Amino acid sequence: EVQLVQSGAEVKKPGESLRISCKASGYNFPTYWINWVRQMPGKGLEWMGTIDPSASYTNYNPSFQGHVTISADKSISTAYLQWTSLQASDTAIYYCARVYCSSPSCYDFTLDYWGQGTLMTVSS
Amino acid sequence: SFELTQPPSVSVSPGQTARITCSGDDLPKKYASWYQQKSGQAPVLVIYEDNKRPSGIPERFSGSSSGTMATLTIRGAQVEDDADYYCFSTDSSGNHEGVFGGGTKVTVL
Repeated sequence: EVQLVQSGAEVKKPGESLRISCKASGYNFPTYWINWVRQMPGKGLEWMGTIDPSASYTNYNPSFQGHVTISADKSISTAYLQWTSLQASDTAIYYCARVYCSSPSCYDFTLDYWGQGTLMTVSS
Repeated sequence: SFELTQPPSVSVSPGQTARITCSGDDLPKKYASWYQQKSGQAPVLVIYEDNKRPSGIPERFSGSSSGTMATLTIRGAQVEDDADYYCFSTDSSGNHEGVFGGGTKVTVL
């Protein structure tokens, strides 16, 4: 059974750093990309970025480029989303999701399995 | 940048048909997928590659795409289908970027 289990809720102060995790099981982790999705309170889903764990290739939504870093550790089947300086506007639920590629190049893809979400609150 | 547009809300009586649209200029070239999100829960994939249904998703959910519009149809809507629904697709720039529609609140009552 495919599962993505995310780390627990966080409460942080502005300016602090943080890394949240997404541990995969039930499939061969390097063979599927992982995406991260943000959902701000009461708002819709926003695509943040992607990582190919086999090659550590990443790409970001321009709106998040430079503010977050996506990484992965194949040896423990875990993907990460990291901030070096949090802002109050980062308060949101963050989801990881596994990517199903519709083509070998993965230019068309679907998010087939999702983690349970990590609630992050940034407040002074 | 690539954008997907959905209506904010759709209301339907139990047993009736709900249709949710998603429009985007790149949809003639790209697949659409659809996600159901119930209150307080993570999204769940209900349709992928325009019209394919994952295992475990009820047959009352179907998808179609024509031109710049993709459509999610719920035939015989049930009270448990009351949720937010998001369409998703990928941009045509070749940068492996995804984009969500703004979401549609489906109310079944």
